[in-house]
Amino acid sequence: EIVLTQSPATLSLSPGERATLSCRASQSVSSYLTWYQQKPGQAPRLLIYAVSNRATGIPARFSGSGSGTDFTLTISSLEPEDFAVYYCQQRSNWPRTFGQGTKLEIK
Amino acid sequence: EVQLVESGGGLVQPGGSLRLSCAASGFTFSSYGMNWVRQAPGRGLEWVSTITSSGGTTYYADSVKGRFTISRDISKNTLSLQMNSLRAEDAAVYYCARLSSSWDNDYWGQGTLVTVSS
Repeated sequence: EIVLTQSPATLSLSPGERATLSCRASQSVSSYLTWYQQKPGQAPRLLIYAVSNRATGIPARFSGSGSGTDFTLTISSLEPEDFAVYYCQQRSNWPRTFGQGTKLEIK
Repeated sequence: EVQLVESGGGLVQPGGSLRLSCAASGFTFSSYGMNWVRQAPGRGLEWVSTITSSGGTTYYADSVKGRFTISRDISKNTLSLQMNSLRAEDAAVYYCARLSSSWDNDYWGQGTLVTVSS
């Protein structure tokens, strides 16, 4: 099973700041890395697929990068609605696995 | 508009069974693979099971293999998850999700809560 480790567990920033979230895989997942956003009481939402492709309707301030085992989600300038929990997920191997999440909170 | 609506959650005793359903609309159900993903209270996301568009292939997390069965009814546009021998650790919100052409979860339902307790 591929283990995904996200860091930091919690990130405290202010609106307008840049956010950098990390996801590290225990073995290569090639480019099969996806990011989801989840707000309290809501279902997750697809943000980024195949490392760097924004899903439909996702603003350009969200970007993804990386390859192999190290991946990054960057939010260039935080908006109030961006404060949420972010999960990475790999679809390289079965079982599909998620990271434990990074909570992005308002400082 | 793509819609996924889960139902069937509730309180069940350990060792009991429950059947979850996910009603799909707004897309050609038979053309997409589907997933179940769960989230225990205050915890992260856990993939549970996948079924391909044809229904011919299924995948399960080790934690549910042999106890849960995923299926789909194309005529009713419905995805199901039969859960047997339920344990306390199966308690969670269960989400159904559509698999995009790139096998990502592009649409999610609102979830249904399963509580396992005596």
